[in-house]
Amino acid sequence: QKEVEQNSGPLSVPEGAIASLNCTYSDRGSQSFFWYRQYSGKSPELIMSIYSNGDKEDGRFTAQLNKASQYVSLLIRDSQPSDSATYLCAVIFSGTYKYIFGTGTRLKVLA
Amino acid sequence: DTEVTQTPKHLVMGMTNKKSLKCEQHMGHRAMYWYKQKAKKPPELMFVYSYEKLSINESVPSRFSPECPNSSLLNLHLHALQPEDSALYLCASSQGAQSLRPIYFGEGSWLTVV
Repeated sequence: QKEVEQNSGPLSVPEGAIASLNCTYSDRGSQSFFWYRQYSGKSPELIMSIYSNGDKEDGRFTAQLNKASQYVSLLIRDSQPSDSATYLCAVIFSGTYKYIFGTGTRLKVLA
Repeated sequence: DTEVTQTPKHLVMGMTNKKSLKCEQHMGHRAMYWYKQKAKKPPELMFVYSYEKLSINESVPSRFSPECPNSSLLNLHLHALQPEDSALYLCASSQGAQSLRPIYFGEGSWLTVV
């Protein structure tokens, strides 16, 4: 099992729809979870951090964490073409404090 | 505006050249990182500095030599690189190497080795 797994996509959604991006991780003791957005040719940009079970909302973005099931998700409401990017999930593994990235999910929002 | 700045944005170098990538963070962080990213891959950790001391070297070839002159500055010295070293090099910082807080990336330096 990979340490942090994401579906590579592409995930295609129409403009205005909800995009749902998922991430699973192998370390049950992990405490910190992050979502980065990376546009083609640019560096990763932190868009969400989540540390507790449940939902965390920031504008059109909602991060959801379920530690018992070891998954974290990112919902993007009212998706826009400008949301088209690769979304990287990152987890800090307990004990080692290693920052582990998933391989990223490519999102395409169709106008 | 990014608070982690990297220079140069683009660098083309020959296999016999010596060059350096530079990074400065204005966030008061105590940990700084170098990552390498190839196309369609996630960032790959190279080095971690914690309180200006090298704490992690992910078995990076010696043709890459990091330097941390102070808590705000991080350099990556490049010498005798290979074409396969061409990639996006990302500097990042965080509150601490054993913090549970996120890391923040600079805009990156695109390196092409010819």
